[in-house]
Amino acid sequence: DTGVSQDPRHKITKRGQNVTFRCDPISEHNRLYWYRQTLGQGPEFLTYFQNEAQLEKSRLLSDRFSAERPKGSFSTLEIQRTEQGDSAMYLCASSLAGLLDGYTFGSGTRLTVV
Amino acid sequence: AQSVTQPDIHITVSEGASLELRCNYSYGATPYLFWYVQSPGQGLQLLLKYFSGDTLVQGIKGFEAEFKRSQSSFNLRKPSVHWSDAAEYFCAVVLYSGGGADGLTFGKGTHLIIQP
Repeated sequence: DTGVSQDPRHKITKRGQNVTFRCDPISEHNRLYWYRQTLGQGPEFLTYFQNEAQLEKSRLLSDRFSAERPKGSFSTLEIQRTEQGDSAMYLCASSLAGLLDGYTFGSGTRLTVV
Repeated sequence: AQSVTQPDIHITVSEGASLELRCNYSYGATPYLFWYVQSPGQGLQLLLKYFSGDTLVQGIKGFEAEFKRSQSSFNLRKPSVHWSDAAEYFCAVVLYSGGGADGLTFGKGTHLIIQP
């Protein structure tokens, strides 16, 4: 197993465009988490899934943000009508039995909105 | 609400010297605490975690941390640092909502610089 994979590594987009990021967790991990990390800050929790069920989404930053995990495997995070303030690193993590086991993080997708 | 404070933004330590990174948490009950390390271009890696029991926790790469309830602290230590320890270190606490344990709340991180 190669760990948590995120694609793309970097994304530059114009303000107002929609972007979608993909996360492939470790195959046997049923929990998947999304975080955002801005410069000089620690990661900020956004949402998480257990299998295909999205168990917490109230911390998504606005209604422009949405996430899916349709078959309980990979997940996508979409940002609609991007703003410059959305520029950040978006991190995905997965876990076998929950966050108390500790996560395995991916290397992230760096988004730059110009 | 649960929160974590890492008072030191940057710390510079000479190679071979000892290290202590500070972490203070805010949470009423017994917290679940973590330390993660982030190297440039790498994902965050779990160093160690504390749930209950022995307040001195051993982790990977020679790190340890001590939970002190009276001081609301969970400081990370290493007796002798190596140049490869230069990285960003994050303390984190479990974030609870009405539905239970969700994600983690991270501190802002401490940037560790190793001097030769």
